[in-house]
Amino acid sequence: DVKVTQSSRYLVKRTGEKVFLECVQDMDHENMFWYRQDPGLGLRLIYFSYDVKMKEKGDIPEGYSVSREKKERFSLILESASTNQTSMYLCATLGGTPGQGGKAGNQPQHFGDGTRLSIL
Amino acid sequence: GQQLNQSPQSMFIQEGEDVSMNCTSSSIFNTWLWYKQDPGEGPVLLIALYKAGELTSNGRLTAQFGITRKDSFLNISASIPSDVGIYFCTGQIGAGGTSYGKLTFGQGTILTVHP
Repeated sequence: DVKVTQSSRYLVKRTGEKVFLECVQDMDHENMFWYRQDPGLGLRLIYFSYDVKMKEKGDIPEGYSVSREKKERFSLILESASTNQTSMYLCATLGGTPGQGGKAGNQPQHFGDGTRLSIL
Repeated sequence: GQQLNQSPQSMFIQEGEDVSMNCTSSSIFNTWLWYKQDPGEGPVLLIALYKAGELTSNGRLTAQFGITRKDSFLNISASIPSDVGIYFCTGQIGAGGTSYGKLTFGQGTILTVHP
């Protein structure tokens, strides 16, 4: 089974702090994703990465950055936390490579259990 | 960006009742996925659909990939208390390049089952 581990289940930080959320996976997956989940909005993609040192902006990247120095670890960084970044943050991984057809090219993502972040 | 409209937003049902929820999109997807999220946990995959018209079952769950590739539904038969949670539909393009693996999520359906 794929194991996606997020370093904290609950985190409380103050406005203006730099916040690091860590995600580690044990399946050697190339692709990793960071989402935030808010009531009534579903999951929204913040950033994703196809490979080490590669990153792509998702739908809501403002106020966030990411780091992928090792294949198994994908970090989400809140440069200067604000109260509107209070949310549930979910990390996901995905195996396979772009360009493959059928099921191999459309594998579902595997999610961690989330970090509930509160910014005071 | 692409939009997925999921309905209903919430459902309150009695144990034993059947449940139906659906998603519609303004765009075509190559894959439809249905996830369930239990309280305090991350989403877990229930059913994956890869072909237009495909009807797939997983126990009491049945899902279909719409012919137009712009919609999908999920049915749960004979609901039980452990069915409670948030159900998400997601669409995936699955193409190469920077679209690979990107999911678009519906808003979620919150299901409550009364014993």
